[in-house]
Amino acid sequence: DGGITQSPKYLFRKEGQNVTLSCEQNLNHDAMYWYRQDPGQGLRLIYYSQIVNDFQKGDIAEGYSVSREKKESFPLTVTSAQKNPTAFYLCASSIAVSANTEAFFGQGTRLTVV
Amino acid sequence: DQQVKQNSPSLSVQEGRISILNCDYTNSMFDYFLWYKKYPAEGPTFLISISSIKDKNEDGRFTVFLNKSAKHLSLHIVPSQPGDSAVYFCAARAGGTSYGKLTFGQGTILTVHP
Repeated sequence: DGGITQSPKYLFRKEGQNVTLSCEQNLNHDAMYWYRQDPGQGLRLIYYSQIVNDFQKGDIAEGYSVSREKKESFPLTVTSAQKNPTAFYLCASSIAVSANTEAFFGQGTRLTVV
Repeated sequence: DQQVKQNSPSLSVQEGRISILNCDYTNSMFDYFLWYKKYPAEGPTFLISISSIKDKNEDGRFTVFLNKSAKHLSLHIVPSQPGDSAVYFCAARAGGTSYGKLTFGQGTILTVHP
């Protein structure tokens, strides 16, 4: 059945290390997004991609990088430059060309820096 | 700046009564609004949406109202059920170049008591 798969569900990272979060979708959606959620806060957009090989910075892109080599995949790398990486990360996808459509979310990855 | 605001961090209602969740926005370019429901450690799930050309949209127990002049929208849940207990996020999307990019509010924790 179709959906968005994020892996792993829990991830621990040592300070100073880069880590990559996986996001795969089989919904044939053109657009994909990465959001971050912190306790008591809403979701904040990190990066988004409307088509393959193209992506734009969101509101909090510093310390993160992405790639979009395939339509189905949109991995997020949390680099050592991200000062406060501990958070809940959510990947989403949507039909980019439609005017009124919702974004579908994965189950999230909880990243903890130890 | 917080372009989408949910000023009530929490709401508690009795089973069978109406739940009203509120959301205010400041960006006049927003033309599509969505409500998501989220359980802890899970991704948000889409509930209902409304286009700026409408002032009301209904889906079963859920109704969203939009007041463009006041830049305000609300989600009504009638009747409320214990299974509705979750965090509810309001989200908005602007047309044009930022098409597809969602801006979220901080969320409101709804607790429905049996």
